[in-house]
Amino acid sequence: DIQMTQSPSSLSASVGDRVTITCRASQGISTYLAWYQQKPGKVPKLLIYAASTLQSGVPSRFGGSGSGTDFTLTISSLQPEDVATYYCQKYNSAPLTFGQGTKVEIK
Amino acid sequence: QVQLVQSGSELREPGASVKVSCKASGYTFTSHAMNWVRQAPGQGLEWMGWINTNTGNPTYAQGFTGRFVFSLDTSVSTAYLQISSLKAEDTAVYYCAKDPRYFREWGQGTLVTVSS
Repeated sequence: DIQMTQSPSSLSASVGDRVTITCRASQGISTYLAWYQQKPGKVPKLLIYAASTLQSGVPSRFGGSGSGTDFTLTISSLQPEDVATYYCQKYNSAPLTFGQGTKVEIK
Repeated sequence: QVQLVQSGSELREPGASVKVSCKASGYTFTSHAMNWVRQAPGQGLEWMGWINTNTGNPTYAQGFTGRFVFSLDTSVSTAYLQISSLKAEDTAVYYCAKDPRYFREWGQGTLVTVSS
């Protein structure tokens, strides 16, 4: 099975900073990758699918890129409401594996 | 609008069984697959598998075979997750999530606690 590895596992940044989270697949998955945001105690929320397509209603400061094995989620200007854990998920084929998550905090 | 409403929290003793429901509304139930995702306390998201809501055919991820059963009642647009022979490590929030690939809509989650 394809493994999904996120880095870093956690980060702390200041409001207004540019934040980058990386997700690496152990084999190529084209652009069959989604990103989710999960705030503490809340249901996961879809941010991005097809590696770079922003889900409707998601702020434009969120962006995704990559294809094959290497993917990136970028928050262009970190806001206090972005404190959350972020997960990538592959969906080219079953199993629909999630990355282990990246916890984002405000410095 | 699309809604997935799950049943409430459950407390079970080890060895017992539990059945979690996920009632769908706002779309044609049999047109979209239903997935199940587990999140243990303080841990990440784990895809358990999915069920084809048209045929009823389930697919289970590795680690979720044997004690885990996905089922449907299409007459009431509801998907079910049954877990038997519960163990302490089954303590988690269980989510249903619509669609076969990435998940725009999720249920609110059902906390299953296994403790004596």
